[in-house]
Amino acid sequence: ILNVEQSPQSLHVQEGDSTNFTCSFPSSNFYALHWYRWETAKSPEALFVMTLNGDEKKKGRISATLNTKEGYSYLYIKGSQPEDSATYLCASLNNDMRFGAGTRLTVKP
Amino acid sequence: KAGVTQTPRYLIKTRGQQVTLSCSPISGHRSVSWYQQTPGQGLQFLFEYFSETQRNKGNFPGRFSGRQFSNSRSEMNVSTLELGDSALYLCASSPNTGTGLGTQYFGPGTRLLVL
Repeated sequence: ILNVEQSPQSLHVQEGDSTNFTCSFPSSNFYALHWYRWETAKSPEALFVMTLNGDEKKKGRISATLNTKEGYSYLYIKGSQPEDSATYLCASLNNDMRFGAGTRLTVKP
Repeated sequence: KAGVTQTPRYLIKTRGQQVTLSCSPISGHRSVSWYQQTPGQGLQFLFEYFSETQRNKGNFPGRFSGRQFSNSRSEMNVSTLELGDSALYLCASSPNTGTGLGTQYFGPGTRLLVL
């Protein structure tokens, strides 16, 4: 993988559902993986920075895992709420910093 | 602490002109990075400055340049503007010393429209 890829592109879930999305990134020359939450008309908000294989980070109902050997990270949201609706971006630092296109999450009440 | 601030927030220019955008990082942060966001290309890294030195650079033409001052404030300049430079320009500051290793705190962005 040469670029950072995120899937799915968009996701619609009901309030209370748990969900997860994937970020795939180049595993060579890897230094760090960032996750951001970007709400419309606001600035991206940092969620996690992970550097080590096997890293797991948690912030409230949101958690993330990192596999640097195979080049992927999962972001999990437990019990989605309407206020979780946003675009979730990942960015991988290899030789340079590259962003995925994001996963747009919509949580319906 | 005050957050990252960017000025101006909105800007309209014409092709061929040049533009300078400003970013003031969070107090104590020494790293400032710049990003361009367009609908077609998504969010792309422009460059990062640390202690007045450009430490990392993305894949953008030489028309895009920047600098950082001793108080960590940073400016980004785009010369000979093209229509495709219309975008949201975000800056982010970070307290860490390693490029891209620290949490990035983003400003509100400057929306540039080139006519």
